[in-house]
Amino acid sequence: SQQGEEDPQALSIQEGENATMNCSYKTSINNLQWYRQNSGRGLVHLILIRSNEREKHSGRLRVTLDTSKKSSSLLITASRAADTASYFCATYTGGFKTIFGAGTRLFVKA
Amino acid sequence: DTGVSQDPRHKITKRGQNVTFRCDPISEHNRLYWYRQTLGQGPEFLTYFQNEAQLEKSRLLSDRFSAERPKGSFSTLEIQRTEQGDSAMYLCASSLAGLALRETQYFGPGTRLLVL
Repeated sequence: SQQGEEDPQALSIQEGENATMNCSYKTSINNLQWYRQNSGRGLVHLILIRSNEREKHSGRLRVTLDTSKKSSSLLITASRAADTASYFCATYTGGFKTIFGAGTRLFVKA
Repeated sequence: DTGVSQDPRHKITKRGQNVTFRCDPISEHNRLYWYRQTLGQGPEFLTYFQNEAQLEKSRLLSDRFSAERPKGSFSTLEIQRTEQGDSAMYLCASSLAGLALRETQYFGPGTRLLVL
């Protein structure tokens, strides 16, 4: 079963609004990553946050990590229609396995 | 384009047939992963190679599935005696083992398999 669980499962917003997606996981992690997937395509790596980091920024993306609650959030500011995609969190616990959640489907209306 | 490539992009087959997919990773990447993704779900780990060695296999990888990475370059994933439940997107990813980069995987576009 998947380690990460994203919330909400689906999100629909207007262009220009902010989108927040949450991810919860079950076991201790080395790092947590967020990926984007456009319909029917491969995944694109967005941002990685290590277990000793609490917040990280990349352009319009802001990721937070709360290891005490085993949760992370991805904030996309000033969303654009091109941000429409599925967003997945993935946890890396060491060894070789990266475990993905089921994803949040974001729809940004122009 | 020097990204991860997969071939074919789409495959339709009849139940019971064998299929083989190919993945060409980014050339300097020594780690290669295979995932399976069904509709509405995230990718599920199948197997992992470091160079030519297959170091981990998921229990999802039944004995009908086999993966190889000869010479540590491209990889193939074969499914024998396909079943309708094998219908999914098969994703390949590669990464470079190292301090800052090893956790970042670069994904190919996937091979979508439909078993009739």
